[in-house]
Amino acid sequence: SQQGEEDPQALSIQEGENATMNCSYKTSINNLQWYRQNSGRGLVHLILIRSNEREKHSGRLRVTLDTSKKSSSLLITASRAADTASYFCATGGYTDKLIFGTGTRLQVFP
Amino acid sequence: NAGVTQTPKFRVLKTGQSMTLLCAQDMNHEYMYWYRQDPGMGLRLIHYSVGEGTTAKGEVPDGYNVSRLKKQNFLLGLESAAPSQTSVYFCASSYQVLTYEQYFGPGTRLTVT
Repeated sequence: SQQGEEDPQALSIQEGENATMNCSYKTSINNLQWYRQNSGRGLVHLILIRSNEREKHSGRLRVTLDTSKKSSSLLITASRAADTASYFCATGGYTDKLIFGTGTRLQVFP
Repeated sequence: NAGVTQTPKFRVLKTGQSMTLLCAQDMNHEYMYWYRQDPGMGLRLIHYSVGEGTTAKGEVPDGYNVSRLKKQNFLLGLESAAPSQTSVYFCASSYQVLTYEQYFGPGTRLTVT
């Protein structure tokens, strides 16, 4: 069963705009990770945020985590056409597995 | 350093045929995973391994078997393929599980007719 649910399912924006996507999950977690998948390719890890962290930055990426609401958001600032991809959140609990959500498809128009 | 590689990239099988997908990693990772990705379903874990010689079931293990005879290799077998196993299969590996990211291979697109 899916732990993470991303919202929205699809997002279309113009280059230069910011893109925000959200992830909600159901059970307690050790960490939450975001991955990117370009069409026809494998997933690439973007950022990991631990359960005791509230915000993390990496380049143009900003991730927030609210464990009281069991939700996370990924903000991509100043989007580029190359950011066009699907984005997945994945929750790590206290087991050997990550559980992935169904993803947000982001389209950035030049 | 090739990271995670998968063989083959594409395969078409007839119902009832068998095949083995090979995953190899050169990062000395302990953990390896097999996922399947279907439209609108995200990634679902089939089987995984926490070290050489170990395997464990994931969320959707039925119809698949795995082996981890060498630390760097993780094999996924389909003994009698069914159309429901048409999917894209991804292998991943990680150093540890709780606080480390997973590295993914490029995927194998399997069609069962």
